[in-house]
Amino acid sequence: QVQLQESGPGLVRPAETLSLTCTVSGGSINSHFWNWIRQPPGKGLEWIGQISYTGTTIYNPSLQSRLTISVDTSKNQVSLKLYSVAAADTAVYFCAGARVVATPWHFDLWGRGTLATVSS
Amino acid sequence: QSALTQPPSASGSPGQSVTVSCTGTSSDVGAYNYVSWYQLHPGKAPKLMIYEVSKRPSGVPDRFSASKSGNTASLTVSGLQAEDEADYYCSSYAGSNNLVFGGGTKLTVL
Repeated sequence: QVQLQESGPGLVRPAETLSLTCTVSGGSINSHFWNWIRQPPGKGLEWIGQISYTGTTIYNPSLQSRLTISVDTSKNQVSLKLYSVAAADTAVYFCAGARVVATPWHFDLWGRGTLATVSS
Repeated sequence: QSALTQPPSASGSPGQSVTVSCTGTSSDVGAYNYVSWYQLHPGKAPKLMIYEVSKRPSGVPDRFSASKSGNTASLTVSGLQAEDEADYYCSSYAGSNNLVFGGGTKLTVL
């Protein structure tokens, strides 16, 4: 059974870079498109972006200028880097997967999320 | 402010049915049959309940059903059970390789 585990520093300083990793275990990273989704405290979900195992990316237009998503197939990991963070970037960040054999817009695999707080 | 509009809360007694709406526009919900619904329990991984408007993944009880009319999608939970109490979020493809979510609905089983 494929499992996803998000990890990263819980605290990031304003204007610095938030770096998160999603480790895929129990299956092939080639089976899904990998997404990052976030949920600010008390607010709804926001789709951040998506990457294929070949490295093709698509990003939320509102975050595109500050965002890099990458994949390391040798480590079965997907990474997110969000630059120049501010308090509004404080959120639980989820990793989620959409099957390659289906449309890439519904996510059948999710991690439990990791809280990233932006604060000085 | 979320792109899709959901009621903040909904409730029903055990055994009853409850419907949660998700209103978008002609550029997202109304344009594509890529509406999904997710169940979120605190501290747990979110779960896909419905995809492509009305399809249920394997393992999701048939008490969960969904539909779409125009720019509004709906999720219905029939025969409410205590374990259905959770937050529910809709999402829709919005064109140009973009996905939008609703603000979420907290479903309470009375």
